[in-house]
Amino acid sequence: RKEVEQDPGPFNVPEGATVAFNCTYSNSASQSFFWYRQDCRKEPKLLMSVYSSGNEDGRFTAQLNRASQYISLLIRDSKLSDSATYLCVVRLLNAGKSTFGDGTTLTVKP
Amino acid sequence: DTGVSQNPRHKITKRGQNVTFRCDPISEHNRLYWYRQTLGQGPEFLTYFQNEAQLEKSRLLSDRFSAERPKGSFSTLEIQRTEQGDSAMYLCASSFRLAEETQYFGPGTRLLVL
Repeated sequence: RKEVEQDPGPFNVPEGATVAFNCTYSNSASQSFFWYRQDCRKEPKLLMSVYSSGNEDGRFTAQLNRASQYISLLIRDSKLSDSATYLCVVRLLNAGKSTFGDGTTLTVKP
Repeated sequence: DTGVSQNPRHKITKRGQNVTFRCDPISEHNRLYWYRQTLGQGPEFLTYFQNEAQLEKSRLLSDRFSAERPKGSFSTLEIQRTEQGDSAMYLCASSFRLAEETQYFGPGTRLLVL
């Protein structure tokens, strides 16, 4: 079993739709959580950190459920520019290593 | 441009050759990370430095791989006797000080071993 698992998709949604991605992690000692976005053949870029209380940044909402060891990302009012691969990232306390999921691919269509 | 830079951006080599990649982190960042990414997979951790000290190495980093960060600034990743399975994108990232800090990625070096 992989340490961080994501549904690879693809998710194909129309503009304006709401879409949600989940990610599960296996190491209960994980302390830091992130969502990164990666466009085709580009480097990953931080989308948002995920905090225990949940957090929102515009159309994006991230949630953490430590008891069930999963993280979610909700995108509201999808735009064409949201088309990308979304990577879930988990890190242990004071660790340098980040463990990435294999990503969920989103395509937003007109 | 004050982001992470990597050189070269692309490298094509023949099996058995040695290759070296360079990463220049964001200037005030003292942590530097190397990852490898193949198509359809997420980045896989290889190693990281805090200043010039190499603090962690993945088991993915075989004896043919070596990384250095001699002055705590730029870093090099060398692959000796390349194999076709080494073909991948090699990503470098840096972060400020704390493990909780965001890691900022460079554009990567895409390696193709023929």
